[in-house]
Amino acid sequence: GENVEQHPSTLSVQEGDSAVIKCTYSDSASNYFPWYKQELGKGPQLIIDIRSNVGEKKDQRIAVTLNKTAKHFSLHITETQPEDSAVYFCAASRGTYKYIFGTGTRLKVLA
Amino acid sequence: GAGVSQSPSNKVTEKGKDVELRCDPISGHTALYWYRQSLGQGLEFLIYFQGNSAPDKSGLPSDRFSAERTGGSVSTLTIQRTQQEDSAVYLCASSFRSYNSPLHFGNGTRLTVT
Repeated sequence: GENVEQHPSTLSVQEGDSAVIKCTYSDSASNYFPWYKQELGKGPQLIIDIRSNVGEKKDQRIAVTLNKTAKHFSLHITETQPEDSAVYFCAASRGTYKYIFGTGTRLKVLA
Repeated sequence: GAGVSQSPSNKVTEKGKDVELRCDPISGHTALYWYRQSLGQGLEFLIYFQGNSAPDKSGLPSDRFSAERTGGSVSTLTIQRTQQEDSAVYLCASSFRSYNSPLHFGNGTRLTVT
């Protein structure tokens, strides 16, 4: 069946450095790719999303890139801050209600 | 505006008891999902509701699990005869429409079965 692989599972960076999380999807019909941030004790919150007709999207310190040929998409966080520490999930959807989630990346930003 | 509200936030129950978990979605959102998240794990799809259509129950792990959505709004997830392996965080999410629409999650109900 369809799946989404997410790497790395844990990531530690120094404050101010950049962090990159990568996801690879198997369903070539996927056309919507959201990213969620989950802080301790809370539900996941959407931070950015991208659709298949766009190669890159930015929102302040956060950006997502999509490579449809290679079937992967990545989250880039620049100038990381301690409050960026959380678990990040990627997901893929082929335009239906079904989302396939990655297994999550625990990001630690070291002060 | 108000987000997705789940109650209770924490529930401790004894093995064999039944539990009910409640979800109040964002007003106007037609789609509603339940997911399960075990400690340190990803999101496991349980069930999906869309308007008056028949729900997709394909993710429910056993017949001890059931859910309903009344009036196209509030949803209840019921677990009968709870087992220790049911211990997890149960997350509810809603979205404005059923496709390519961001999911808005509640903070979940942490269920502990002793």
